[in-house]
Amino acid sequence: GESVGLHLPTLSVQEGDNSIINCAYSNSASDYFIWYKQESGKGPQFIIDIRSNMDKRQGQRVTVLLNKTVKHLSLQIAATQPGDSAVYFCAATTTDSWGKFQFGAGTQVVVTP
Amino acid sequence: GAGVSQSPSNKVTEKGKDVELRCDPISGHTALYWYRQSLGQGLEFLIYFQGNSAPDKSGLPSDRFSAERTGGSVSTLTIQRTQQEDSAVYLCASSSTPPGRQPQHFGDGTRLSIL
Repeated sequence: GESVGLHLPTLSVQEGDNSIINCAYSNSASDYFIWYKQESGKGPQFIIDIRSNMDKRQGQRVTVLLNKTVKHLSLQIAATQPGDSAVYFCAATTTDSWGKFQFGAGTQVVVTP
Repeated sequence: GAGVSQSPSNKVTEKGKDVELRCDPISGHTALYWYRQSLGQGLEFLIYFQGNSAPDKSGLPSDRFSAERTGGSVSTLTIQRTQQEDSAVYLCASSSTPPGRQPQHFGDGTRLSIL
């Protein structure tokens, strides 16, 4: 089965610095990946996704990198802001699934002034 | 509304009571999911609806849990004879098709507390 996990449960970053959040997945058949942001008391919010035919995808201040060789996914946040403080989840699914994602437990990002 | 709507946002009830949680997905989304999130844990899949197909109930933890989706839109998750271990945040998500190629959009959840 799918196993998705995060390397660090908590990441403390200074405002203005770049943040990198990592995620490892176990199923080599995984081909669609999503990063979510969850603020306290709210549901997960979609940030960015990437398909397995890509190695990198950029959004506004965020970049997702996919390394299929080592089954690793990362989210980079540029110029981290206080509003970026939240829990970040990665999620993965496979081609033949109906969208049954496996979610990591999350990384708490704390932005300090 | 523009997003997934869940109600109530908070529910406190006594052990042994039944509860109903409601989810109103994004208009036009044919796929609907229920998850459970316990403190510090990842999302636990409960049930999945896709169009008129039979739902995938493989994640329901016991027969006290059930869900239905009426008219392909609103869904209700029912927990009978609630137990303290049912305390969690229950999240609903919807997505457009194809469901494995589109992100799931989540509501803000129902925080369920069993006394």
